[in-house]
Amino acid sequence: SQQGEEDPQALSIQEGENATMNCSYKTSINNLQWYRQNSGRGLVHLILIRSNEREKHSGRLRVTLDTSKKSSSLLITASRAADTASYFCATGNYGQNFVFGPGTRLSVLP
Amino acid sequence: NAGVTQTPKFRVLKTGQSMTLLCAQDMNHEYMYWYRQDPGMGLRLIHYSVGEGTTAKGEVPDGYNVSRLKKQNFLLGLESAAPSQTSVYFCASSLDWAGGYTFGSGTRLTVV
Repeated sequence: SQQGEEDPQALSIQEGENATMNCSYKTSINNLQWYRQNSGRGLVHLILIRSNEREKHSGRLRVTLDTSKKSSSLLITASRAADTASYFCATGNYGQNFVFGPGTRLSVLP
Repeated sequence: NAGVTQTPKFRVLKTGQSMTLLCAQDMNHEYMYWYRQDPGMGLRLIHYSVGEGTTAKGEVPDGYNVSRLKKQNFLLGLESAAPSQTSVYFCASSLDWAGGYTFGSGTRLTVV
């Protein structure tokens, strides 16, 4: 299975700190996406990174992809209470459906 | 606002009852998906559609049926609800296979 697995399962940090969560997968992929889910809401697409890319930025978000290690990381800089949510990675190959991992629960404490 | 709309938002069913969940998108997306989300298990794909009139099975299709008669709508049916189908159901759509998914806000279903 190419399912991504996020690590850690849960993370608590103070406001203003950086949060890093990782996603590992088992087989080669074409692209990887990160999503955020606030409690009781649907998932929101954050960023997509292709297998030929190593790093992408979007505001306070930085995503890296290391295809040799079959892993990706999501860094949220200068975290805010509003960043409290679950974060999911989804891995995919052309013509196949994306597979979501179980997620990382991030708590940002004031 | 453009997006994915799911109805209903909440529903309680008795074992053996049937129901249909409706998903509507106004972004002209080709692909549509139905997922279920259970604690600690992430999202699991039930059925999906790559265009009007097409449907296909996902990871956990048993006990569910779907239809995509119009491009903007994707219906999920439970013919005979079971307690194991208690879950939160999400619909999503995308422009193509690689596009970022747009999710609805979910339907919380309880089967008693």
